[in-house]
Amino acid sequence: GDSVTQMEGPVTLSEEAFLTINCTYTATGYPSLFWYVQYPGEGLQLLLKATKADDKGSNKGFEATYRKETTSFHLEKGSVQVSDSAVYFCALSDLNYGGSQGNLIFGKGTKLSVKP
Amino acid sequence: DSGVTQTPKHLITATGQRVTLRCSPRSGDLSVYWYQQSLDQGLQFLIQYYNGEERAKGNILERFSAQQFPDLHSELNLSSLELGDSALYFCASSVGGPTGSGNTIYFGEGSWLTVV
Repeated sequence: GDSVTQMEGPVTLSEEAFLTINCTYTATGYPSLFWYVQYPGEGLQLLLKATKADDKGSNKGFEATYRKETTSFHLEKGSVQVSDSAVYFCALSDLNYGGSQGNLIFGKGTKLSVKP
Repeated sequence: DSGVTQTPKHLITATGQRVTLRCSPRSGDLSVYWYQQSLDQGLQFLIQYYNGEERAKGNILERFSAQQFPDLHSELNLSSLELGDSALYFCASSVGGPTGSGNTIYFGEGSWLTVV
């Protein structure tokens, strides 16, 4: 079945460091790809998304490019801040899954801690 | 604030009991989804409703059931509770239905269930 694999954390960085969180996927159809973020004590928030190959999603300085050839959707940010400390989830939604684009399959999450 | 409202935020109950979690989707959203987040299983899709009808089922136990009412709010019923059911239960909503493309799914802050 469809699955998402993301790098295990925790990841600890200093402020202004470069961030990469790797995400790869397995899907039988044509998935849309997402990054969600969960700040401490809060729910999940959509960070960015890409719906087809070579699309780049971006938001709040974060970017991820949908790479079909490598089945990857790595999250990057050039300069992290303390306020970026959170758990980041990579997810896919496959049109073939239940016939709806709404059903997300999540990776296990990567906890990011940014130190001042 | 995503606009998705979940109650209660925290719930402690004993094994064997039954609880009901409630979700109000964002205004105008027709689809409601339930997810379970636990330490060992991560984030798992449980079930989706669209405009009152069940649309897709994921890893939902037979002891669990859900419904979506005419006013579009949804309830997740968990019965014969076991210690392993302790988790954070998220509700999410989106505008789209079965053929929606690129629909954004908005998550509530979750209901923490502790079974003792």
